[in-house]
Amino acid sequence: KAGVTQTPRYLIKTRGQQVTLSCSPISGHRSVSWYQQTPGQGLQFLFEYFSETQRNKGNFPGRFSGRQFSNSRSEMNVSTLELGDSALYLCASSFSPGQGSTGELFFGEGSRLTVL
Amino acid sequence: KNEVEQSPQNLTAQEGEFITINCSYSVGISALHWLQQHPGGGIVSLFMLSSGKKKHGRLIATINIQEKHSSLHITASHPRDSAVYICAVSDNNDMRFGAGTRLTVKP
Repeated sequence: KAGVTQTPRYLIKTRGQQVTLSCSPISGHRSVSWYQQTPGQGLQFLFEYFSETQRNKGNFPGRFSGRQFSNSRSEMNVSTLELGDSALYLCASSFSPGQGSTGELFFGEGSRLTVL
Repeated sequence: KNEVEQSPQNLTAQEGEFITINCSYSVGISALHWLQQHPGGGIVSLFMLSSGKKKHGRLIATINIQEKHSSLHITASHPRDSAVYICAVSDNNDMRFGAGTRLTVKP
């Protein structure tokens, strides 16, 4: 079956703009988690959605937001972009919630955001 | 001190060598994951562990819950094993990651 699909794969924005990233989970998976990866901070948890509800949120400012639709597809949005938001944004899906505490995570290829 | 510590940071091996990557954590966990990341960014989940030992092909992962330590072993290493290996721990509400171990296997 198809894996986790993230779009777009690459994008360039300027400071102050906003960006929306999309994640389509594996069919049947209802949990989607988002992560930010930077050279300085490594991988960090952003938020998790399960059945259209945000379960948890990591330590990120309110400029970072997300949502999940009834078909389990998820989007994340970053408003008022800053240079430090340049990163690889990864999403992962799983059948059950809890960020891999009860089930394997399947990651997408990521969306690489560059903020100029 | 990071909650998830990996060692070594970098590792270079010759093809065929036995490789061990270690992970220590300081928080309570529900599960520990070993992830593989190739250049380009995509991450593949290798193992999810809550106790004991798992084996998949040439890869073996072990966890000692009492000592809060896990190891990833690669037997008969191959250049295609070259990647960054990341240890991550989850507790139902959060997932914390190690900084990763960059493995290079030379032919």
